[in-house]
Amino acid sequence: DAGVIQSPRHEVTEMGQEVTLRCKPISGHDYLFWYRQTMMRGLELLIYFNNNVPIDDSGMPEDRFSAKMPNASFSTLKIQPSEPRDSAVYFCASSEWAKGGEHYEQYFGPGTRLTVT
Amino acid sequence: TQLLEQSPQFLSIQEGENLTVYCNSSSVFSSLQWYRQEPGEGPVLLVTVVTGGEVKKLKRLTFQFGDARKDSSLHITAAQPGDTGLYLCAGARNYQLIWGAGTKLIIKP
Repeated sequence: DAGVIQSPRHEVTEMGQEVTLRCKPISGHDYLFWYRQTMMRGLELLIYFNNNVPIDDSGMPEDRFSAKMPNASFSTLKIQPSEPRDSAVYFCASSEWAKGGEHYEQYFGPGTRLTVT
Repeated sequence: TQLLEQSPQFLSIQEGENLTVYCNSSSVFSSLQWYRQEPGEGPVLLVTVVTGGEVKKLKRLTFQFGDARKDSSLHITAAQPGDTGLYLCAGARNYQLIWGAGTKLIIKP
């Protein structure tokens, strides 16, 4: 099992540019989550999908952020235009529903460290 | 508003000492998870506790879920430098995970 795969691992871009982060979840997992982590705010949930459908995007900071999941094995998080305050580590995680319960365990990718100058 | 409070935020101790990290909330969770994150990597699940009062052990790590399922603790016995990392608790509620801010733990040799 390859785990959750994210690309790129590092991204440096200039303010105003479009940034696209990519994620491949673990095969068979039907939930996918996008998080942002900073020293100041910790780990923040941006959006999550169930069976490729966005369920809750209330954590998306503003309209500059968008996420898609065209199929069960691929998702993107796009920032357009990017701003310096978007600098953070962005994580993708996937999970499957726990058998017989409401809880589920999330498996994280290695993250994308985004720096916007 | 931080729904899940972790304490301490930072802890630096010598190898061989014991420590406890706390995760507290006024809300009830259906389960609670503990993750460890090392620099440059994503969080990795350590354990899930589901039943009020449940205790789980993972080698030198002992996890406990409060009777009311509102709080949890992580106790490490004889800490090792390899235990260094950011420890995150996350409570499951309404099909989401509510995350604590984390405890940064440093074990000095």
